[in-house]
Amino acid sequence: KQEVTQIPAALSVPEGENLVLNCSFTDSAIYNLQWFRQDPGKGLTSLLLIQSSQREQTSGRLNASLDKSSGRSTLYIAASQPGDSATYLCAVLQGAQKLVFGQGTRLTINP
Amino acid sequence: DADVTQTPRNRITKTGKRIMLECSQTKGHDRMYWYRQDPGLGLRLIYYSFDVKDINKGEISDGYSVSRQAQAKFSLSLESAIPNQTALYFCATSEARTDTQYFGPGTRLTVL
Repeated sequence: KQEVTQIPAALSVPEGENLVLNCSFTDSAIYNLQWFRQDPGKGLTSLLLIQSSQREQTSGRLNASLDKSSGRSTLYIAASQPGDSATYLCAVLQGAQKLVFGQGTRLTINP
Repeated sequence: DADVTQTPRNRITKTGKRIMLECSQTKGHDRMYWYRQDPGLGLRLIYYSFDVKDINKGEISDGYSVSRQAQAKFSLSLESAIPNQTALYFCATSEARTDTQYFGPGTRLTVL
Protein backbone atom coordinates (compact mmCIF):
# COMPACT_ATOMS: atom_id res chain seq x y z
CA LYS A 1 0.00 0.00 0.00
CA GLN A 2 1.33 3.40 -1.01
CA GLU A 3 2.20 5.70 1.86
CA VAL A 4 3.11 9.35 1.43
CA THR A 5 4.90 11.21 4.20
CA GLN A 6 5.61 14.91 4.53
CA ILE A 7 8.16 16.26 6.96
CA PRO A 8 8.02 18.58 8.80
CA ALA A 9 4.35 18.81 9.72
CA ALA A 10 4.79 22.52 10.37
CA LEU A 11 7.42 25.09 9.45
CA SER A 12 7.81 28.75 10.36
CA VAL A 13 10.42 30.95 8.67
CA PRO A 14 11.14 34.67 8.27
CA GLU A 15 10.10 36.43 5.09
CA GLY A 16 12.66 36.34 2.32
CA GLU A 17 14.19 32.97 3.15
CA ASN A 18 14.45 30.15 0.67
CA LEU A 19 12.93 26.93 1.96
CA VAL A 20 12.45 23.28 1.07
CA LEU A 21 9.46 21.05 1.80
CA ASN A 22 9.94 17.31 1.69
CA CYS A 23 7.74 14.47 0.49
CA SER A 24 8.53 10.76 0.44
CA PHE A 25 6.57 7.81 -0.91
CA THR A 26 6.97 4.06 -0.46
CA ASP A 27 6.00 2.68 -3.89
CA SER A 28 7.89 4.03 -6.89
CA ALA A 29 5.24 2.79 -9.37
CA ILE A 30 3.64 6.17 -9.86
CA TYR A 31 2.35 8.07 -12.90
CA ASN A 32 3.09 11.50 -11.52
CA LEU A 33 3.53 13.54 -8.36
CA GLN A 34 1.63 16.72 -7.66
CA TRP A 35 2.11 19.53 -5.18
CA PHE A 36 -0.97 21.39 -3.96
CA ARG A 37 -1.55 24.41 -1.80
CA GLN A 38 -4.47 24.54 0.65
CA ASP A 39 -5.67 27.78 2.23
CA PRO A 40 -8.04 27.78 5.22
CA GLY A 41 -11.66 27.58 4.13
CA LYS A 42 -10.70 26.95 0.54
CA GLY A 43 -10.03 23.97 -1.65
CA LEU A 44 -6.75 22.72 -3.00
CA THR A 45 -4.89 24.54 -5.73
CA SER A 46 -2.55 22.58 -7.96
CA LEU A 47 0.93 24.12 -7.99
CA LEU A 48 3.11 21.74 -9.95
CA LEU A 49 2.76 18.33 -11.56
CA ILE A 50 5.81 16.20 -12.34
CA GLN A 51 5.36 13.23 -14.64
CA SER A 52 7.17 10.04 -13.60
CA SER A 53 9.62 10.47 -16.48
CA GLN A 54 10.56 14.00 -15.42
CA ARG A 55 13.05 15.20 -12.82
CA GLU A 56 11.71 18.65 -12.05
CA GLN A 57 9.18 21.33 -12.82
CA THR A 58 9.33 25.07 -12.22
CA SER A 59 6.68 27.73 -11.88
CA GLY A 60 7.75 31.20 -10.84
CA ARG A 61 9.42 31.00 -7.42
CA LEU A 62 8.51 27.32 -7.05
CA ASN A 63 10.63 24.38 -8.13
CA ALA A 64 9.66 20.77 -7.55
CA SER A 65 11.99 17.83 -8.02
CA LEU A 66 11.29 14.12 -8.26
CA ASP A 67 13.61 11.19 -7.59
CA LYS A 68 11.34 8.26 -8.27
CA SER A 69 13.92 5.60 -7.51
CA SER A 70 14.46 6.86 -3.99
CA GLY A 71 10.82 7.80 -3.46
CA ARG A 72 11.44 11.45 -2.77
CA SER A 73 10.25 14.85 -3.92
CA THR A 74 11.07 18.34 -2.76
CA LEU A 75 9.29 21.64 -3.22
CA TYR A 76 11.66 24.59 -3.19
CA ILE A 77 10.22 28.05 -2.54
CA ALA A 78 12.51 30.95 -3.27
CA ALA A 79 12.35 34.33 -1.55
CA SER A 80 9.37 33.40 0.61
CA GLN A 81 6.56 35.92 1.17
CA PRO A 82 3.79 36.13 3.80
CA GLY A 83 1.31 35.23 1.05
CA ASP A 84 3.02 31.85 0.75
CA SER A 85 1.63 30.89 4.16
CA ALA A 86 -0.60 27.86 3.64
CA THR A 87 -0.62 24.09 3.95
CA TYR A 88 1.30 22.34 1.19
CA LEU A 89 0.27 18.84 0.18
CA CYS A 90 2.01 16.38 -2.07
CA ALA A 91 0.19 13.53 -3.76
CA VAL A 92 1.22 10.67 -6.02
CA LEU A 93 -0.97 9.34 -8.81
CA GLN A 94 -1.18 5.59 -9.09
CA GLY A 95 -3.34 3.36 -11.28
CA ALA A 96 -7.02 4.11 -11.88
CA GLN A 97 -6.53 7.80 -11.22
CA LYS A 98 -5.95 7.24 -7.53
CA LEU A 99 -4.25 10.16 -5.83
CA VAL A 100 -2.58 9.27 -2.53
CA PHE A 101 -1.93 12.31 -0.36
CA GLY A 102 0.53 13.13 2.36
CA GLN A 103 -0.68 14.81 5.53
CA GLY A 104 0.73 18.16 4.51
CA THR A 105 3.21 20.73 5.80
CA ARG A 106 1.73 23.85 7.39
CA LEU A 107 3.95 26.75 6.36
CA THR A 108 4.01 30.14 8.09
CA ILE A 109 6.06 33.02 6.68
CA ASN A 110 6.66 35.71 9.28
CA PRO A 111 6.89 39.34 8.08
CA ASP B 1 -17.60 32.04 -11.00
CA ALA B 2 -15.76 29.06 -9.54
CA ASP B 3 -15.14 26.14 -11.89
CA VAL B 4 -15.95 23.52 -9.23
CA THR B 5 -18.69 24.32 -6.74
CA GLN B 6 -19.92 22.38 -3.74
CA THR B 7 -23.15 22.72 -1.78
CA PRO B 8 -23.67 23.09 1.06
CA ARG B 9 -20.42 24.61 2.35
CA ASN B 10 -21.25 23.71 5.94
CA ARG B 11 -23.71 21.21 7.38
CA ILE B 12 -24.50 20.02 10.86
CA THR B 13 -26.68 16.95 11.15
CA LYS B 14 -27.61 14.22 13.59
CA THR B 15 -26.69 10.56 13.70
CA GLY B 16 -28.90 8.45 11.44
CA LYS B 17 -29.91 11.23 9.06
CA ARG B 18 -29.50 10.93 5.30
CA ILE B 19 -27.28 13.62 3.84
CA MET B 20 -26.48 14.57 0.25
CA LEU B 21 -23.50 16.68 -0.76
CA GLU B 22 -23.55 18.09 -4.26
CA CYS B 23 -20.79 18.99 -6.68
CA SER B 24 -21.06 20.84 -9.98
CA GLN B 25 -18.36 21.77 -12.47
CA THR B 26 -18.15 24.00 -15.51
CA LYS B 27 -14.73 22.78 -16.64
CA GLY B 28 -16.16 20.23 -19.06
CA HIS B 29 -14.13 17.43 -17.47
CA ASP B 30 -15.28 13.84 -17.70
CA ARG B 31 -13.65 12.67 -14.47
CA MET B 32 -14.97 13.54 -11.03
CA TYR B 33 -13.93 12.50 -7.53
CA TRP B 34 -15.02 12.69 -3.90
CA TYR B 35 -12.46 12.88 -1.08
CA ARG B 36 -12.65 13.37 2.65
CA GLN B 37 -10.00 15.12 4.72
CA ASP B 38 -9.40 14.36 8.38
CA PRO B 39 -6.79 15.96 10.62
CA GLY B 40 -3.58 13.95 10.56
CA LEU B 41 -4.84 11.60 7.83
CA GLY B 42 -4.67 13.72 4.71
CA LEU B 43 -7.19 13.34 1.90
CA ARG B 44 -8.64 9.92 1.12
CA LEU B 45 -10.57 8.92 -1.98
CA ILE B 46 -14.20 7.86 -1.45
CA TYR B 47 -15.54 7.39 -5.00
CA TYR B 48 -14.59 8.40 -8.51
CA SER B 49 -16.30 8.49 -11.89
CA PHE B 50 -14.71 8.61 -15.33
CA ASP B 51 -17.96 9.38 -17.14
CA VAL B 52 -21.70 9.38 -16.55
CA LYS B 53 -21.99 5.59 -16.74
CA ASP B 54 -18.86 4.82 -14.75
CA ILE B 55 -18.73 4.70 -10.93
CA ASN B 56 -15.83 3.25 -8.93
CA LYS B 57 -15.17 2.74 -5.24
CA GLY B 58 -12.19 4.40 -3.70
CA GLU B 59 -10.23 3.68 -0.56
CA ILE B 60 -13.04 4.36 1.95
CA SER B 61 -16.42 3.88 0.26
CA ASP B 62 -18.23 2.08 3.09
CA GLY B 63 -21.15 4.15 4.38
CA TYR B 64 -21.24 6.33 1.25
CA SER B 65 -22.93 6.21 -2.15
CA VAL B 66 -22.69 8.44 -5.20
CA SER B 67 -24.73 9.48 -8.20
CA ARG B 68 -23.40 10.94 -11.45
CA GLN B 69 -26.50 12.73 -12.73
CA ALA B 70 -24.75 14.39 -15.66
CA GLN B 71 -21.25 15.10 -16.85
CA ALA B 72 -21.22 18.22 -14.72
CA LYS B 73 -22.81 16.84 -11.53
CA PHE B 74 -21.60 14.28 -9.01
CA SER B 75 -23.38 13.82 -5.67
CA LEU B 76 -22.22 12.07 -2.52
CA SER B 77 -24.75 10.59 -0.10
CA LEU B 78 -24.43 9.39 3.44
CA GLU B 79 -27.35 7.01 3.87
CA SER B 80 -27.26 7.04 7.67
CA ALA B 81 -24.73 9.51 9.00
CA ILE B 82 -22.52 8.59 11.94
CA PRO B 83 -20.20 10.80 14.01
CA ASN B 84 -16.97 9.41 12.52
CA GLN B 85 -18.11 10.77 9.16
CA THR B 86 -17.48 14.25 10.51
CA ALA B 87 -14.88 15.62 8.13
CA LEU B 88 -14.11 18.07 5.33
CA TYR B 89 -15.35 16.72 2.00
CA PHE B 90 -13.86 17.74 -1.34
CA CYS B 91 -15.03 17.22 -4.88
CA ALA B 92 -12.48 17.29 -7.70
CA THR B 93 -12.43 17.01 -11.48
CA SER B 94 -9.79 16.12 -14.05
CA GLU B 95 -9.31 15.41 -17.70
CA ALA B 96 -7.39 12.43 -19.01
CA ARG B 97 -5.07 14.61 -21.09
CA THR B 98 -3.37 16.32 -18.16
CA ASP B 99 -4.11 14.28 -14.99
CA THR B 100 -4.24 17.52 -13.00
CA GLN B 101 -7.11 17.50 -10.51
CA TYR B 102 -9.08 20.66 -9.73
CA PHE B 103 -10.72 20.87 -6.33
CA GLY B 104 -13.88 22.52 -5.07
CA PRO B 105 -13.89 24.65 -1.90
CA GLY B 106 -15.02 21.81 0.34
CA THR B 107 -18.00 20.99 2.53
CA ARG B 108 -17.52 20.87 6.28
CA LEU B 109 -19.84 18.18 7.66
CA THR B 110 -20.46 17.66 11.35
CA VAL B 111 -22.44 14.64 12.53
CA LEU B 112 -23.63 14.91 16.12
